[in-house]
Amino acid sequence: SQQGEEDPQALSIQEGENATMNCSYKTSINNLQWYRQNSGRGLVHLILIRSNEREKHSGRLRVTLDTSKKSSSLLITASRAADTASYFCGTNTGNQFYFGTGTSLTVIP
Amino acid sequence: GAVVSQHPSWVICKSGTSVKIECRSLDFQATTMFWYRQFPKQSLMLMATSNEGSKATYEQGVEKDKFLINHASLTLSTLTVTSAHPEDSSFYICSARGGTSGLYEQYFGPGTRLTVT
Repeated sequence: SQQGEEDPQALSIQEGENATMNCSYKTSINNLQWYRQNSGRGLVHLILIRSNEREKHSGRLRVTLDTSKKSSSLLITASRAADTASYFCGTNTGNQFYFGTGTSLTVIP
Repeated sequence: GAVVSQHPSWVICKSGTSVKIECRSLDFQATTMFWYRQFPKQSLMLMATSNEGSKATYEQGVEKDKFLINHASLTLSTLTVTSAHPEDSSFYICSARGGTSGLYEQYFGPGTRLTVT
């Protein structure tokens, strides 16, 4: 991809379980952002973590950032069927903003 | 958060015609705007970055003569797909930022679905 990879590519879990997806990127960043996209729809901004931050929480979301490994993770706790969507990390590298390859999450009721 | 709109939200055109997509920042001045293309079940690929009043910077592999970008004001950027072909059918999403630095948050439009028949 232009900037990063995400894994897993697809993830299927039962409602109530936790979902973890990972994002790796290639160059130095100013911040990293996670987005959700329902099929055929626009992006929903979830959380932004700056390069000098290591962890951030928002509701059931927990994001970590390891700049030494150029990686980030998104944890969704107590998943719900409504969390079914594709999740993308985006990296601000200065003037460019690139997306990772995305993780397709399916939460089975 | 800030609002970015796109128009039209969907468009169907015939092969060989040109299509213009507008992207507007509604409540802030967008110094930098970005255009992305997304094919089904794929990620968003950055096509070009434009700063107001300057020529757009295109990503490798994106034809600048085919995808014309104009960022004429601090609230409006347009993407014109010239001589569209079926392979140009895609979901186009714009994004706007209030400054040129990566420290500014990115705001995304709702996307435009282009179908070329």
